[in-house]
Amino acid sequence: KQEVTQIPAALSVPEGENLVLNCSFTDSAIYNLQWFRQDPGKGLTSLLLIQSSQREQTSGRLNASLDKSSGRSTLYIAASQPGDSATYLCAVMNTDKLIFGTGTRLQVFP
Amino acid sequence: DTAVSQTPKYLVTQMGNDKSIKCEQNLGHDTMYWYKQDSKKFLKIMFSYNNKELIINETVPNRFSPKSPDKAHLNLHINSLELGDSAVYFCASSQVNRYGYTFGSGTRLTVV
Repeated sequence: KQEVTQIPAALSVPEGENLVLNCSFTDSAIYNLQWFRQDPGKGLTSLLLIQSSQREQTSGRLNASLDKSSGRSTLYIAASQPGDSATYLCAVMNTDKLIFGTGTRLQVFP
Repeated sequence: DTAVSQTPKYLVTQMGNDKSIKCEQNLGHDTMYWYKQDSKKFLKIMFSYNNKELIINETVPNRFSPKSPDKAHLNLHINSLELGDSAVYFCASSQVNRYGYTFGSGTRLTVV
């Protein structure tokens, strides 16, 4: 049974820092991995999608890497801003469904 | 313009009532899902439909019944609502199960 874990559960940093959020999964037989952002009381916004054959994806200040064999992904946020404050969710696609991690709640203060 | 839209956004109702949540996607995706986000913010799949056919039913009580009239719509009907049903319900869609999911903005259900 696939289990997805995210570390840390919460993170509070000053503006401008570079951040790394971690995601690990127990079953490496995945189709893809997707990172989402969720603002309080809002829906999920897709940030990056990495197919199982890919090693990384980049969008603006965000970079996500995937190491399928070790069951890990990282989301790197460069030069963090207060607007980056949100919960970040990692999700892996197994066979027929997306399985979510527990999330990392990020607060970036000015 | 909204890709995946859910209605209503908020739903407050009394225990024992029956309610429905509607979802529509205009992305042309062939698969739609219902996810539940509990009070601890954990997201878990409930159902998925592919071209109107039920694919996944994740040990959800029989009081929950999804219905897909066509591949662009997936509704969720809940009978005899209980306090524990209070949560945020998200609809999502994807194409071919191998590409990214697109989520709706969620329906916050509160049972009192």
